[in-house]
Amino acid sequence: EVQLVESGGGLVQPGGSLRLSCTASGLTFSRYHMTWVRQAPGKGLEWVSFISYSSDNIDYADSVRGRFTISRDNAKNSLYLQMNGLRADDTAVYYCASDLAHKIDWWGQGTLVIVSS
Amino acid sequence: QSALTQPPSASGSPGQSVTISCTGTSSDVGGYKYVSWYQKHPGKAPKLMIYEVTKRPSGVPDRFSGSKSGNTASLTVSGLQAEDEADYFCSSYAGGNRYAFGTGTEVTVL
Repeated sequence: EVQLVESGGGLVQPGGSLRLSCTASGLTFSRYHMTWVRQAPGKGLEWVSFISYSSDNIDYADSVRGRFTISRDNAKNSLYLQMNGLRADDTAVYYCASDLAHKIDWWGQGTLVIVSS
Repeated sequence: QSALTQPPSASGSPGQSVTISCTGTSSDVGGYKYVSWYQKHPGKAPKLMIYEVTKRPSGVPDRFSGSKSGNTASLTVSGLQAEDEADYFCSSYAGGNRYAFGTGTEVTVL
């Protein structure tokens, strides 16, 4: 059974930082591109960031570029999202998801990030 | 990338069919064959139901089917069952490494 488990969410003040983690099991992690997707309260899903299986191709949504950094450790079957300069509009449930051949096939249950003073 | 438009809700009685639309643009839905549909129950991870417009992953019942015409994709659930009650959302590859997502549809089994 494939599982993606996110962690690291929580309450943070504006301007603060958080590091999200996603641990994968049940799939050959090193063969999958990975993606972060978020959903703000009452809003639709938003693609946030992409990292290729070998980390040589990375991309960000304009809304987070320069503030968020995606990375992965294939030896640990783990994906990360370092979030700096957090703003109120970054408040959302953050999902990690596997990306293969232009489809997102597996998702985690999400971790909630709340940016508030 | 802009959100793909879905109706907020849909419903049907057990055994009936329900169809959900997903409208985008030529830069996403209309431009690629990579449209997916997901089922999400509260508190659970989204589950892939349809990919590449019409394909079903192993284990997904054939009651679920997908189609596309122009910039609009559709998911049809035939023979509705109680366990089909969930939120459904679409996704389309949008070029580069990016995806556009639907606004989501809550399906109720009456």
